[in-house]
Amino acid sequence: QVQLQESGPGLVRPSQTLSLTCSVSGDSLTSGSSYWSWIRQPAGKGLEWIGRSHFSGSTSSNPSLKSRVTISLDTSKNQFSLKLNSVTAADTAVYYCAREFEGRDSNGYSAVLTDYWGQGVLVAVSS
Amino acid sequence: QTVVTQEPSLTVSPGGTVTLSCAASSGVVTSDFFPNWFQQKPGQAPRPLIYSTTNKHSWTPDRFSGSLLGDKAALTLSGAQPDDEADYYCLLYFGGSRVFGGGTKLTVL
Repeated sequence: QVQLQESGPGLVRPSQTLSLTCSVSGDSLTSGSSYWSWIRQPAGKGLEWIGRSHFSGSTSSNPSLKSRVTISLDTSKNQFSLKLNSVTAADTAVYYCAREFEGRDSNGYSAVLTDYWGQGVLVAVSS
Repeated sequence: QTVVTQEPSLTVSPGGTVTLSCAASSGVVTSDFFPNWFQQKPGQAPRPLIYSTTNKHSWTPDRFSGSLLGDKAALTLSGAQPDDEADYYCLLYFGGSRVFGGGTKLTVL
């Protein structure tokens, strides 16, 4: 059973850097089929994909956030992190970490699934 | 960036059938976008239901199914139960990027 758990400050000052960590159990960050993702959700609004990273060094992120986002992996601790710089009130949200898995379905066709999520952590940006 | 659109809200009667759709501004949604569907209840993390268009997770109730309908991805709920009242989100995979739909608030009434 794969489990993910977010941790980090619940309050960040405007213009500062938001930093969160996701601890993973039940899977290895060095698994070739797993990508490690961040997703957020402002209160009362929908989900927004932030980005993902693979232990090979491959990363991708939402074009609307790209210049502010860094996702990195610490394989020694089996944790990955999110850094979002120059935050504003618009970055206030519940932040989720999740696993994205690339494999095959029961028919042998390529499959991509975001299958395991953390419980989420609320981060408020306020002075 | 591609915009993914879902119905803002739908209502279904208990025991009834409802289909939620997921459209892309870039054009036809195909299996190459690996549509995923999630259910979210208040205060909870999203719960995966469907992946890669039609595949169910081991925990997905049989009454949920995924498909492609016309130029969209679709989630069909057959035999709705009160516990199915929730927000539902689709997720499309565009190469290295991913885009969520705006979500559908499903009421069972």
